[in-house]
Amino acid sequence: KQEVTQIPAALSVPEGENLVLNCSFTDSAIYNLQWFRQDPGKGLTSLLLIQSSQREQTSGRLNASLDKSSGRSTLYIAASQPGDSATYLCAVGFNAGNMLTFGGGTRLMVKP
Amino acid sequence: GAVVSQHPSWVICKSGTSVKIECRSLDFQATTMFWYRQFPKQSLMLMATSNEGSKATYEQGVEKDKFLINHASLTLSTLTVTSAHPEDSSFYICSARSRQSSGELFFGEGSRLTVL
Repeated sequence: KQEVTQIPAALSVPEGENLVLNCSFTDSAIYNLQWFRQDPGKGLTSLLLIQSSQREQTSGRLNASLDKSSGRSTLYIAASQPGDSATYLCAVGFNAGNMLTFGGGTRLMVKP
Repeated sequence: GAVVSQHPSWVICKSGTSVKIECRSLDFQATTMFWYRQFPKQSLMLMATSNEGSKATYEQGVEKDKFLINHASLTLSTLTVTSAHPEDSSFYICSARSRQSSGELFFGEGSRLTVL
């Protein structure tokens, strides 16, 4: 059974800090990996998609890396802002059918 | 990114009634849609995979007669919770993949179901 783990489960930082969210998965034979943001009571907003052949993707202040051999991905958020406060979910696709296995999420709070 | 719309966003119903939730891909054709369930402060659990024109594939432990899924067109999938009970109260989220996508999935805004 594929498992996806996110550490830490919760994180509180002051505004302006750079931070790293971690995601690990048990099977390195992945198809792709996606990072999402979820605000309370809302759906998921796709942040970054990394294909299995890629090592990283960048969008604005966000950078996601992928290391298949070690079963890890990181989401780097630069110069954090209070508006970044949300739950960040890592999801791994293990086949082309795109069924995603989600991690437990990291609840981020950025304090002004 | 592509837009996936869910309706209703909130629904409250009495025990024993059935509730239908719609998931629409607004600007693309979705060959596959997925239905997830999310309990408070927990991650998403896949319920079923819905392919247009065929029967849905349910995950282990999900009752197909209780959670009816229909994917009648390339832009619409519906989830019907039949004979709802309070334990069915949850946040239901759909996602869709387009024919042209590079594997990226797009999610709806979710539907909050409360069964009294």
